Amino acid sequence: GAGVSQSPRYKVAKRGQDVALRCDPISGHVSLFWYQQALGQGPEFLTYFQNEAQLDKSGLPSDRFFAERPEGSVSTLKIQRTQQEDSAVYLCASSLLNLVGQLSPLHFGNGTRLTVT
Amino acid sequence: KQEVTQIPAALSVPEGENLVLNCSFTDSAIYNLQWFRQDPGKGLTSLLLIQSSQREQTSGRLNASLDKSSGRSTLYIAASQPGDSATYLCAGKLMDSSYKLIFGSGTRLLVRP
Repeated sequence: GAGVSQSPRYKVAKRGQDVALRCDPISGHVSLFWYQQALGQGPEFLTYFQNEAQLDKSGLPSDRFFAERPEGSVSTLKIQRTQQEDSAVYLCASSLLNLVGQLSPLHFGNGTRLTVT
Repeated sequence: KQEVTQIPAALSVPEGENLVLNCSFTDSAIYNLQWFRQDPGKGLTSLLLIQSSQREQTSGRLNASLDKSSGRSTLYIAASQPGDSATYLCAGKLMDSSYKLIFGSGTRLLVRP
């Protein structure tokens, strides 16, 4: 498909386990975002990549959260020593960037629902 | 700190009704504002993007307006249909070097047949 793909769709982890969430953006999309969405809330920004460069990680809630995009395409969000408060839907979005640095509308994946027990 | 508020949190209307969803933001230094639709268990779909230099955008039965001075945006849905039932979120990007969007909590819309 031509959309943003995220895997796994659902993840259940025991407290203290490490998890890795994958995002395949739309081919050619320079910009990639990770957002965290709690139940009944709007998404909260986590981090932003432009190609392989992580330009903004101000939204990562703790040093247990780590994101990478080594080749400027697929991105992985890793959460170490998961806690119950990490339970949420993790959304990935990608977009194009024009010559004057404006983003096109974001394309979101369907998210990974993480439940920490 | 930019905060985005959406009112009402939930709305139920009969099919065919015209309706308005509201979004307010605290920081008028907004670069653009987007409206998204989210279906249960799905990601977000971009509906309309309004740049700060624009006052409104239209797509089909949807019309979104932006008033920076009052810190408000509205999404107008004409002749609502059951298929419009979803959560509608607005999100603003500030006039800074960041690319992040700040989202409201959304309005959950139910259009009854």
